[in-house]
Order: sequence, then structure tokens, then C-alpha cells
Amino acid sequence: DSGVTQTPKHLITATGQRVTLRCSPRSGDLSVYWYQQSLDQGLQFLIQYYNGEERAKGNILERFSAQQFPDLHSELNLSSLELGDSALYFCASSSRAGGSGTLHFGNGTRLTVT
Amino acid sequence: AQRVTQPEKLLSVFKGAPVELKCNYSYSGSPELFWYVQYSRQRLQLLLRHISRESIKGFTADLNKGETSFHLKKPFAQEEDSAMYYCALRPPGTASKLTFGTGTRLQVTL
Repeated sequence: DSGVTQTPKHLITATGQRVTLRCSPRSGDLSVYWYQQSLDQGLQFLIQYYNGEERAKGNILERFSAQQFPDLHSELNLSSLELGDSALYFCASSSRAGGSGTLHFGNGTRLTVT
Repeated sequence: AQRVTQPEKLLSVFKGAPVELKCNYSYSGSPELFWYVQYSRQRLQLLLRHISRESIKGFTADLNKGETSFHLKKPFAQEEDSAMYYCALRPPGTASKLTFGTGTRLQVTL
């Protein structure tokens, strides 16, 4: 399957901890986006990388950081976790930094902070 | 700042009935509008985009700039249309940062 792959599927951890979510984009896609989906707020854009460089930033907390590696996979790091960080975190990729590239989504990582 | 509003969290219709999923946006310009769909246990995927003016799986959506709306419509709902639907907006000429609405769950019953 050459689609967007996210690991892990589920993650349960305690408040104060730090986790890393991983995303492998679709083959050939250079752009990676991270979104947070919570019950109340729908899909919130966090951050975008294009070919290793940060391209756009959304409502991403300072406790969160991300990077895109030379092989184009991306990691989203969440630290000092709070109960409110519990959500589905989606990664998406597209072939272009801007313009009309369609986003292709992964299955998401469900994070539960207890 | 741009905003997408989907006023209905859940829309339940009978099979064969018409469907309209509402989407309103606020943006002072000419954005690109999209509908994404998430079927049960599947990933979010693009359903249609306004610039393509296409009909996918019987769904259409017309951009109404006067009303700043992009409602999704289908004349006869099918059971397989049951899913979560998200309306999304992207300002033109920017990195592909989509702003999503909160989503509407469509439930089609017999």
C-alpha cells in the first residue's frame, strides 16, 4: 500500500508524558500536513512541511513540534501531555507545496491521555 | 481569518430521500472549496472540489459566493452514503493548508 501510513494506531499515555507520532507520506508526495481532530473542534490544522522545511503553521501548541526527515517521513512530537490533548491526529500528504494538490489522509493515530 | 461552518452534527434521512449537507464559509476573497468524506473505518478522502464542477457518487456542490455557501447535495440517498462529511476551504495561492468544518454525520436508513 503506497498510501499515507501512520503509526501507532492507538496510544494511551499519562499526563506529563511525551509521545512521538509517525507519518510516511504517499510515494512521491513531498508535502506532509498534520491535523488534530477532537470532538468539539473538528479538524484543526497544526503544521505543514514541504521537502523537509516547515511551510505553514496553524494552531500548534508550543508543547508540540514536528519535523520532516530527508526520506520525507514526518514525526509529530507532543510533550507535557494534558488531558485535553486526547484526540485523533491525522497526517496527510500531497505532491505540491501549494496550488491544487489534493490531500491524501492516513488512518490517524488515536491518542488518549489519562 | 477563514472559517468553515457546518451547522448540522448529524443528518438522518431515509434511503431514496434527497440530501443536503450545509456548509457556510467566511473568507473575503475567492477560496477553493472542497468536500471530504470519511466512511466507517476508512481514511478521510476527497469527494469533490468546486473548481472541478463534477458529480461524484451522485453528489454535487455549487459554490454560492453571494451566500458564501457550498452545500453538498444528492437527489436520492443510498445506504452506502452513510459517512462523516467535511467541508473545507483553502485560500487561493497559498500552501495547501485546508481549513475544515466540524463535520456532519450522514445516516441513511431504510
